[in-house]
Amino acid sequence: DSGVTQTPKHLITATGQRVTLRCSPRSGDLSVYWYQQSLDQGLQFLIHYYNGEERAKGNILERFSAQQFPDLHSELNLSSLELGDSALYFCASSVDAANTGELFFGEGSRLTVL
Amino acid sequence: ILNVEQSPQSLHVQEGDSTNFTCSFPSSNFYALHWYRWETAKSPEALFVMTLNGDEKKKGRISATLNTKEGYSYLYIKGSQPEDSATYLCASPGGGADGLTFGKGTHLIIQP
Repeated sequence: DSGVTQTPKHLITATGQRVTLRCSPRSGDLSVYWYQQSLDQGLQFLIHYYNGEERAKGNILERFSAQQFPDLHSELNLSSLELGDSALYFCASSVDAANTGELFFGEGSRLTVL
Repeated sequence: ILNVEQSPQSLHVQEGDSTNFTCSFPSSNFYALHWYRWETAKSPEALFVMTLNGDEKKKGRISATLNTKEGYSYLYIKGSQPEDSATYLCASPGGGADGLTFGKGTHLIIQP
């Protein structure tokens, strides 16, 4: 158990819909990262928050947004869903923002868009 | 966007044999190199984070080396066991706050 909690574990929805994925980082960790893993793709970095502030963006679509709340949990909002958004979405946390510490991954949220 | 490459893509090893695989990354503007182990139906777990050229780290039968000048890292597994079967990922950030760019992994299968 990494200490990182993601909900929901599985989600099935239709094209055009909007979903919210939730992540609670490990106790004491200030950084939250979101990654997407699609078929035949490696883990793709989406966005990084540190202590409530956005620190870096990766290949995140404009239809996607995220935030980190004062209690440090984070939410990833995916809207106007397309079939190609079907993927495993991971949240990871670390104690700092410098990438010199290991990431702790949640179990992922598997999104299926029909 | 960084280019992080891993080879081989997959590897079958006999139980008890030792093995190693490679991660290559841009040597310019190096910041850190991470190794993760990812078992099927689980989430990736950190093995090592290395930042210094020449760094060597060890955890049990698994060790890793880092050459930042030429842009590669090796992961070694000594005396492979069936429980070592997993995908091994390496990753590097573009900068301090950037997310990690992951390689596609080396899928290791240990055959009894």
